[in-house]
Amino acid sequence: ILNVEQSPQSLHVQEGDSTNFTCSFPSSNFYALHWYRWETAKSPEALFVMTLNGDEKKKGRISATLNTKEGYSYLYIKGSQPEDSATYLCAFYSGNTPLVFGKGTRLSVIA
Amino acid sequence: DAGITQSPRHKVTETGTPVTLRCHQTENHRYMYWYRQDPGHGLRLIHYSYGVKDTDKGEVSDGYSVSRSKTEDFLLTLESATSSQTSVYFCAISVSLAASTDTQYFGPGTRLTVL
Repeated sequence: ILNVEQSPQSLHVQEGDSTNFTCSFPSSNFYALHWYRWETAKSPEALFVMTLNGDEKKKGRISATLNTKEGYSYLYIKGSQPEDSATYLCAFYSGNTPLVFGKGTRLSVIA
Repeated sequence: DAGITQSPRHKVTETGTPVTLRCHQTENHRYMYWYRQDPGHGLRLIHYSYGVKDTDKGEVSDGYSVSRSKTEDFLLTLESATSSQTSVYFCAISVSLAASTDTQYFGPGTRLTVL
């Protein structure tokens, strides 16, 4: 079974702080790395998909980077707002099996 | 909105009874998935389908079966529900026909309680 690790498990930050978290995945058989945002009582929503080493994606205050050679991706949130509070999931795609999800990082932004 | 509905949205049942959850899509996509969400475990894949009558097991398939007789419907059945199957169940679809990145879009979830 492929192993996808996310850290930290949970995070509490003050409004306005910038923060980042990590997703580690196998460095072999890499096809794609996904980030999803999952608000409480809702369903996960796709944020980014990255396929190339060195990829950087950005959506508003949220950005992500990808290092396929060492098997990690960072998600950054600049100037966190209460509405950023959610669980952020990463998912690894190897091309021959469905996505493998990490357990997520739960972010709480305190006003 | 990827046109995915799940029914029922909430269900309470008793141990030993059969339960079927339905996922319906309007997008005509080939790939469909069933996950369960549990605290401390994130999303775990139960079964998935890559076409009509084509299904395969996921990480936590024991106690579950699936069927896909039409492109738009993917059914998850608990033959004899147990309390350990109390969970929130999410259906997802893959919008990429080639599944080259397997971006998945999720339904609203079904909360199942087994007493």
